[in-house]
Amino acid sequence: AQSVTQLGSHVSVSEGALVLLRCNYSSSVPPYLFWYVQYPNQGLQLLLKYTSAATLVKGINGFEAEFKKSETSFHLTKPSAHMSDAAEYFCAVSFDNQGGKLIFGQGTELSVKP
Amino acid sequence: DTAVSQTPKYLVTQMGNDKSIKCEQNLGHDTMYWYKQDSKKFLKIMFSYNNKELIINETVPNRFSPKSPDKAHLNLHINSLELGDSAVYFCASSLTWGKAELFFGEGSRLTVL
Repeated sequence: AQSVTQLGSHVSVSEGALVLLRCNYSSSVPPYLFWYVQYPNQGLQLLLKYTSAATLVKGINGFEAEFKKSETSFHLTKPSAHMSDAAEYFCAVSFDNQGGKLIFGQGTELSVKP
Repeated sequence: DTAVSQTPKYLVTQMGNDKSIKCEQNLGHDTMYWYKQDSKKFLKIMFSYNNKELIINETVPNRFSPKSPDKAHLNLHINSLELGDSAVYFCASSLTWGKAELFFGEGSRLTVL
């Protein structure tokens, strides 16, 4: 069965520290992978996507993610956290012939301490 | 100009009532979706329309009836509301059916009392 697991429902970092949000997927076919961010009381905004080109993907706001097929992972990183990065982050996966049907992980809430 | 707009943003209603949520996108996209986010923030697809045609119906109770009058609009009507329907409902769109890069609206928070 296809699924997405985000390790840690809540991650807290200090301003300026490295941000690492973990995402693993389960699939027998090649996936397309996405990270979305949700700020309080807002919709989801696409941060970045992996669509079988480069395995290291750069997104908006200084975030990047690396697709590792051997580890079935797509972890999200940012070298230096800003207070404005505090939000809920969702990893999602989709597959060929499923159009825009995204299967989401449970979400990780990122807190940034001053 | 909001790309994907939903109305209303908040609905509070009693069990058994009927309510509708409207969605419009001005991106020129062919495909639109409804996703439900529950109280634990888990997101799940409900419906997808491609060029006004229903493509995905994800085993949603038939009290939920989507309607797409044209490819820029996708509405959601819910009959006989139940407590478990309380959630945030997100409308989204994508360029075409094969593209999973979705643009989301701001959500409609439904509270059933």
